[in-house]
Amino acid sequence: GAGVSQSPSNKVTEKGKDVELRCDPISGHTALYWYRQSLGQGLEFLIYFQGNSAPDKSGLPSDRFSAERTGGSVSTLTIQRTQQEDSAVYLCASLSGSTDTQYFGPGTRLTVL
Amino acid sequence: QKEVEQNSGPLSVPEGAIASLNCTYSDRVSQSFFWYRQYSGKSPELIMSIYSNGDKEDGRFTAQLNKASQYVSLLIRDSQPSDSATYLCAVSQDPYKLSFGAGTTVTVRA
Repeated sequence: GAGVSQSPSNKVTEKGKDVELRCDPISGHTALYWYRQSLGQGLEFLIYFQGNSAPDKSGLPSDRFSAERTGGSVSTLTIQRTQQEDSAVYLCASLSGSTDTQYFGPGTRLTVL
Repeated sequence: QKEVEQNSGPLSVPEGAIASLNCTYSDRVSQSFFWYRQYSGKSPELIMSIYSNGDKEDGRFTAQLNKASQYVSLLIRDSQPSDSATYLCAVSQDPYKLSFGAGTTVTVRA
């Protein structure tokens, strides 16, 4: 089936604006993750959703960041009042309950001017 | 101390040689260990997972785990130019939560 998809692939915004990034996981995958990857850096965990459990938000860097997952499928990561340090690639991954392999989407490259 | 640390790169090896990548982790209760490969501008893809002490081989890749030393490594035998990428070590204590290292960039010289 189709892999993890993310949109938009690129987003350029002005400092102070809000942005929404979308992730559509692999159908049937119960867990969904958001990561951030700055240039030349590893992956920074932001948040994950597992089934109907409360999300683990421990990686969100500030209260400007929030995420939701509607109907146990599509997820939206929202960044309010964007700052230049928010510029990064935001990666989404989903995981099947029968394995522990995370499958990554292509990412959204966010540039805050 | 970072949760997951990888040897600093970049690592340059000639074609056909062995590339050796190292990773140490701080949490002794870690249960699952993964190596992801990330080509420039692309998203990470899983190449190896290992859960028990010892070696695990998959084609030209061998993962080695030593929980007592909190150490996991990846060997790439007969390195090919197509192996040129950044390799990310990931460690999991919680079945659903991974901690990633910063990655080691490997360049295979033809």
